[in-house]
Amino acid sequence: DAGVIQSPRHEVTEMGQEVTLRCKPISGHDYLFWYRQTMMRGLELLIYFNNNVPIDDSGMPEDRFSAKMPNASFSTLKIQPSEPRDSAVYFCASSGTGRGTRYYNEQFFGPGTRLTVL
Amino acid sequence: AQSVAQPEDQVNVAEGNPLTVKCTYSVSGNPYLFWYVQYPNRGLQFLLKYITGDNLVKGSYGFEAEFNKSQTSFHLKKPSALVSDSALYFCAVRVSGNMLTFGGGTRLMVKP
Repeated sequence: DAGVIQSPRHEVTEMGQEVTLRCKPISGHDYLFWYRQTMMRGLELLIYFNNNVPIDDSGMPEDRFSAKMPNASFSTLKIQPSEPRDSAVYFCASSGTGRGTRYYNEQFFGPGTRLTVL
Repeated sequence: AQSVAQPEDQVNVAEGNPLTVKCTYSVSGNPYLFWYVQYPNRGLQFLLKYITGDNLVKGSYGFEAEFNKSQTSFHLKKPSALVSDSALYFCAVRVSGNMLTFGGGTRLMVKP
């Protein structure tokens, strides 16, 4: 498996523009998580899905942020409109609940998308 | 609420010396505890986890962690540090399902 895939790896945009980040989880995983990492705030959980259903979005900063998971192999995180304070590295992670494997509970992280909003 | 704390922002150690990165936890019930490592410009990578069983857990890259229930700690250790171990280390605890809450991270600097 190629692991968790995120695109783009880098995004530079101007304030006010719409930004869409994409994630493909590991095949067979039923949990998907979106995190944001900054020097000031560390690693923050934004939202997570279980079986494509959003379970907890309490970490989403404000209405400008939205996330969807239309199917088990794809998720998006959208920021509209973007602001300079949204500049961060955004990580997607997935995990499975296969009790028969040694990977139960472990989250596997993608390489991240570095977002810069000018 | 389940939480973990990493009391040190940075740990400095000389290459070849033993290293310890500290983590304490607060949970209701039995804890599921994890350590992750993040190298520059990379995502977090799983190192090891404790769910049940032996208090000493062995993981990747020669790391191990000791679960101590009486001290509510789960410190990460390695007998002999390498310069390549320099990275950001995160302790985490399972909250519910597969959701984890992470500590603030500890930067490990190993000097030659």
